[in-house]
Amino acid sequence: ETGVTQSPTHLIKTRGQQVTLRCSSQSGHNTVSWYQQALGQGPQFIFQYYREEENGRGNFPPRFSGLQFPNYSSELNVNALELDDSALYLCASSLVAGRDEQFFGPGTRLTVL
Amino acid sequence: DAKTTQPPSMDCAEGRAANLPCNHSTISGNEYVYWYRQIHSQGPQYIIHGLKNNETNEMASLIITEDRKSSTLILPHATLRDTAVYYCIVRVENNAGNMLTFGGGTRLMVKP
Repeated sequence: ETGVTQSPTHLIKTRGQQVTLRCSSQSGHNTVSWYQQALGQGPQFIFQYYREEENGRGNFPPRFSGLQFPNYSSELNVNALELDDSALYLCASSLVAGRDEQFFGPGTRLTVL
Repeated sequence: DAKTTQPPSMDCAEGRAANLPCNHSTISGNEYVYWYRQIHSQGPQYIIHGLKNNETNEMASLIITEDRKSSTLILPHATLRDTAVYYCIVRVENNAGNMLTFGGGTRLMVKP
Protein backbone atom coordinates (compact mmCIF):
# COMPACT_ATOMS: atom_id res chain seq x y z
CA GLU A 1 0.00 0.00 0.00
CA THR A 2 1.43 3.37 -1.06
CA GLY A 3 -1.23 5.65 0.39
CA VAL A 4 -2.17 6.81 -3.11
CA THR A 5 -5.77 6.06 -4.01
CA GLN A 6 -7.60 6.33 -7.33
CA SER A 7 -11.24 6.25 -8.30
CA PRO A 8 -13.05 4.69 -9.91
CA THR A 9 -11.36 1.31 -10.25
CA HIS A 10 -12.98 0.54 -13.58
CA LEU A 11 -14.92 2.66 -16.03
CA ILE A 12 -16.63 2.05 -19.36
CA LYS A 13 -17.36 4.95 -21.72
CA THR A 14 -18.33 5.32 -25.33
CA ARG A 15 -16.42 7.13 -28.04
CA GLY A 16 -16.89 10.90 -27.93
CA GLN A 17 -17.77 11.05 -24.24
CA GLN A 18 -15.81 12.83 -21.52
CA VAL A 19 -14.31 11.23 -18.42
CA THR A 20 -12.87 12.43 -15.10
CA LEU A 21 -10.51 10.27 -13.09
CA ARG A 22 -9.51 11.10 -9.53
CA CYS A 23 -6.41 10.62 -7.44
CA SER A 24 -5.66 11.23 -3.80
CA SER A 25 -1.96 11.70 -3.14
CA GLN A 26 0.05 10.35 -0.25
CA SER A 27 -0.06 12.69 2.73
CA GLY A 28 2.43 15.54 2.48
CA HIS A 29 3.19 15.01 -1.23
CA ASN A 30 2.79 18.18 -3.31
CA THR A 31 3.56 16.69 -6.71
CA VAL A 32 1.34 14.39 -8.75
CA SER A 33 2.02 12.80 -12.13
CA TRP A 34 -0.36 10.97 -14.44
CA TYR A 35 0.55 8.09 -16.73
CA GLN A 36 -1.31 6.11 -19.38
CA GLN A 37 -0.52 2.40 -19.72
CA ALA A 38 -1.84 0.57 -22.74
CA LEU A 39 -2.11 -3.20 -22.54
CA GLY A 40 1.29 -4.87 -22.72
CA GLN A 41 3.25 -1.63 -22.66
CA GLY A 42 5.06 0.48 -20.08
CA PRO A 43 3.39 3.56 -18.60
CA GLN A 44 3.61 6.75 -20.68
CA PHE A 45 3.87 10.14 -18.97
CA ILE A 46 0.89 12.46 -19.52
CA PHE A 47 1.63 15.43 -17.25
CA GLN A 48 2.67 16.50 -13.79
CA TYR A 49 1.27 19.04 -11.35
CA TYR A 50 3.27 20.76 -8.66
CA ARG A 51 1.46 23.00 -6.17
CA GLU A 52 -1.59 23.27 -8.44
CA GLU A 53 0.38 24.26 -11.56
CA GLU A 54 1.21 22.07 -14.56
CA ASN A 55 4.93 21.34 -14.30
CA GLY A 56 5.66 19.20 -17.34
CA ARG A 57 3.74 17.46 -20.09
CA GLY A 58 4.30 14.43 -22.28
CA ASN A 59 3.23 13.88 -25.88
CA PHE A 60 -0.53 13.94 -25.30
CA PRO A 61 -3.11 16.19 -27.03
CA PRO A 62 -4.87 19.08 -25.25
CA ARG A 63 -8.02 17.00 -24.75
CA PHE A 64 -6.08 15.46 -21.86
CA SER A 65 -6.19 18.01 -19.06
CA GLY A 66 -5.76 18.02 -15.33
CA LEU A 67 -6.27 19.79 -12.08
CA GLN A 68 -4.57 19.69 -8.73
CA PHE A 69 -6.42 20.99 -5.68
CA PRO A 70 -5.10 22.77 -2.55
CA ASN A 71 -5.25 19.48 -0.64
CA TYR A 72 -3.06 18.02 -3.43
CA SER A 73 -5.71 15.64 -4.72
CA SER A 74 -5.88 15.60 -8.49
CA GLU A 75 -8.10 14.98 -11.50
CA LEU A 76 -7.39 13.80 -15.02
CA ASN A 77 -9.98 14.84 -17.60
CA VAL A 78 -10.19 13.40 -21.08
CA ASN A 79 -12.56 14.92 -23.64
CA ALA A 80 -13.81 13.43 -26.90
CA LEU A 81 -12.79 9.91 -25.98
CA GLU A 82 -11.28 7.72 -28.67
CA LEU A 83 -11.01 3.94 -28.77
CA ASP A 84 -7.22 4.21 -28.31
CA ASP A 85 -7.77 5.94 -24.96
CA SER A 86 -8.64 2.54 -23.51
CA ALA A 87 -5.88 1.95 -20.97
CA LEU A 88 -4.88 1.82 -17.32
CA TYR A 89 -4.46 5.36 -15.97
CA LEU A 90 -2.00 5.69 -13.13
CA CYS A 91 -1.30 8.57 -10.84
CA ALA A 92 1.86 8.89 -8.81
CA SER A 93 2.71 11.31 -6.03
CA SER A 94 6.10 12.41 -4.82
CA LEU A 95 7.42 14.55 -2.02
CA VAL A 96 9.71 16.74 -4.08
CA ALA A 97 9.17 17.70 -7.71
CA GLY A 98 12.01 16.54 -9.89
CA ARG A 99 13.59 13.91 -7.75
CA ASP A 100 13.36 10.69 -5.86
CA GLU A 101 10.76 8.03 -5.82
CA GLN A 102 7.20 8.28 -7.01
CA PHE A 103 4.43 6.40 -5.24
CA PHE A 104 1.87 4.96 -7.63
CA GLY A 105 -1.79 4.30 -7.09
CA PRO A 106 -3.49 1.10 -8.28
CA GLY A 107 -4.83 2.77 -11.40
CA THR A 108 -8.18 3.22 -13.13
CA ARG A 109 -8.97 0.86 -15.99
CA LEU A 110 -10.79 2.83 -18.71
CA THR A 111 -12.51 1.03 -21.55
CA VAL A 112 -13.82 3.06 -24.49
CA LEU A 113 -16.38 1.31 -26.69
CA ASP B 1 16.56 11.05 -20.81
CA ALA B 2 18.77 8.21 -22.05
CA LYS B 3 17.17 5.08 -23.44
CA THR B 4 17.59 1.69 -21.83
CA THR B 5 17.68 -1.84 -23.18
CA GLN B 6 16.46 -4.81 -21.17
CA PRO B 7 15.81 -8.45 -22.04
CA PRO B 8 12.07 -8.96 -22.51
CA SER B 9 11.84 -11.91 -20.14
CA MET B 10 13.80 -13.98 -17.63
CA ASP B 11 13.16 -16.97 -15.40
CA CYS B 12 14.54 -17.54 -11.92
CA ALA B 13 14.21 -20.40 -9.47
CA GLU B 14 12.63 -19.57 -6.13
CA GLY B 15 15.27 -18.91 -3.48
CA ARG B 16 17.98 -18.14 -5.99
CA ALA B 17 19.35 -14.71 -6.85
CA ALA B 18 17.70 -12.92 -9.76
CA ASN B 19 20.10 -10.76 -11.76
CA LEU B 20 18.34 -8.36 -14.13
CA PRO B 21 20.59 -6.53 -16.58
CA CYS B 22 20.06 -3.11 -18.13
CA ASN B 23 22.05 -1.40 -20.84
CA HIS B 24 22.14 2.41 -20.86
CA SER B 25 25.17 3.12 -23.02
CA THR B 26 24.16 6.73 -23.78
CA ILE B 27 23.69 7.75 -20.15
CA SER B 28 24.86 11.25 -19.24
CA GLY B 29 26.93 12.15 -16.22
CA ASN B 30 24.00 13.66 -14.34
CA GLU B 31 21.49 10.88 -15.04
CA TYR B 32 20.49 8.47 -12.33
CA VAL B 33 19.53 4.82 -12.80
CA TYR B 34 16.13 3.94 -11.32
CA TRP B 35 14.43 0.57 -11.00
CA TYR B 36 10.70 0.08 -10.62
CA ARG B 37 8.64 -3.08 -10.81
CA GLN B 38 5.00 -3.70 -11.63
CA ILE B 39 3.22 -6.71 -10.27
CA HIS B 40 0.22 -7.76 -12.32
CA SER B 41 -2.77 -5.42 -11.99
CA GLN B 42 -0.94 -3.04 -9.64
CA GLY B 43 0.79 0.32 -10.07
CA PRO B 44 4.59 0.40 -10.43
CA GLN B 45 6.62 0.17 -7.24
CA TYR B 46 9.92 1.92 -6.62
CA ILE B 47 12.81 -0.45 -5.85
CA ILE B 48 16.11 1.42 -5.82
CA HIS B 49 18.15 4.08 -7.60
CA GLY B 50 21.76 5.18 -7.88
CA LEU B 51 24.19 7.47 -9.69
CA LYS B 52 27.52 5.68 -9.84
CA ASN B 53 28.08 3.84 -6.58
CA ASN B 54 26.53 0.47 -5.88
CA GLU B 55 23.43 0.69 -3.72
CA THR B 56 21.63 -1.75 -1.45
CA ASN B 57 18.35 -1.57 0.42
CA GLU B 58 15.93 -4.03 1.97
CA MET B 59 14.54 -5.01 -1.42
CA ALA B 60 17.53 -5.28 -3.74
CA SER B 61 21.05 -4.33 -4.73
CA LEU B 62 22.00 -2.16 -7.68
CA ILE B 63 25.37 -2.69 -9.33
CA ILE B 64 26.46 0.03 -11.78
CA THR B 65 29.52 -0.55 -13.97
CA GLU B 66 32.41 1.85 -13.66
CA ASP B 67 31.70 3.40 -17.08
CA ARG B 68 28.00 3.62 -16.08
CA LYS B 69 26.90 2.15 -19.40
CA SER B 70 25.11 -0.76 -17.78
CA SER B 71 23.72 -1.90 -14.47
CA THR B 72 22.32 -5.00 -12.80
CA LEU B 73 19.48 -5.25 -10.32
CA ILE B 74 19.95 -8.13 -7.92
CA LEU B 75 17.13 -9.71 -5.92
CA PRO B 76 19.22 -11.88 -3.56
CA HIS B 77 16.63 -14.53 -2.73
CA ALA B 78 13.77 -14.39 -5.22
CA THR B 79 10.31 -15.44 -4.07
CA LEU B 80 7.16 -16.14 -6.06
CA ARG B 81 5.92 -12.68 -5.08
CA ASP B 82 8.82 -11.14 -7.00
CA THR B 83 7.22 -12.24 -10.28
CA ALA B 84 6.67 -8.91 -12.05
CA VAL B 85 7.78 -6.65 -14.88
CA TYR B 86 10.96 -4.81 -13.91
CA TYR B 87 11.69 -1.43 -15.47
CA CYS B 88 15.11 0.19 -15.66
CA ILE B 89 14.89 3.96 -16.14
CA VAL B 90 17.53 6.65 -16.42
CA ARG B 91 16.65 10.24 -15.71
CA VAL B 92 18.01 13.58 -14.68
CA GLU B 93 16.92 14.85 -11.31
CA ASN B 94 15.67 18.37 -11.82
CA ASN B 95 12.68 20.54 -11.05
CA ALA B 96 11.31 20.69 -14.57
CA GLY B 97 8.96 17.77 -14.19
CA ASN B 98 10.24 14.47 -12.88
CA MET B 99 8.63 12.22 -15.43
CA LEU B 100 9.66 8.61 -15.65
CA THR B 101 10.20 7.22 -19.17
CA PHE B 102 9.27 3.53 -19.04
CA GLY B 103 10.47 1.12 -21.70
CA GLY B 104 9.27 -2.42 -22.21
CA GLY B 105 10.91 -3.79 -19.07
CA THR B 106 11.88 -7.36 -18.22
CA ARG B 107 9.16 -9.83 -17.29
CA LEU B 108 10.67 -11.88 -14.45
CA MET B 109 9.04 -15.22 -13.75
CA VAL B 110 10.05 -16.82 -10.45
CA LYS B 111 9.36 -20.54 -10.53
CA PRO B 112 9.03 -22.97 -7.62
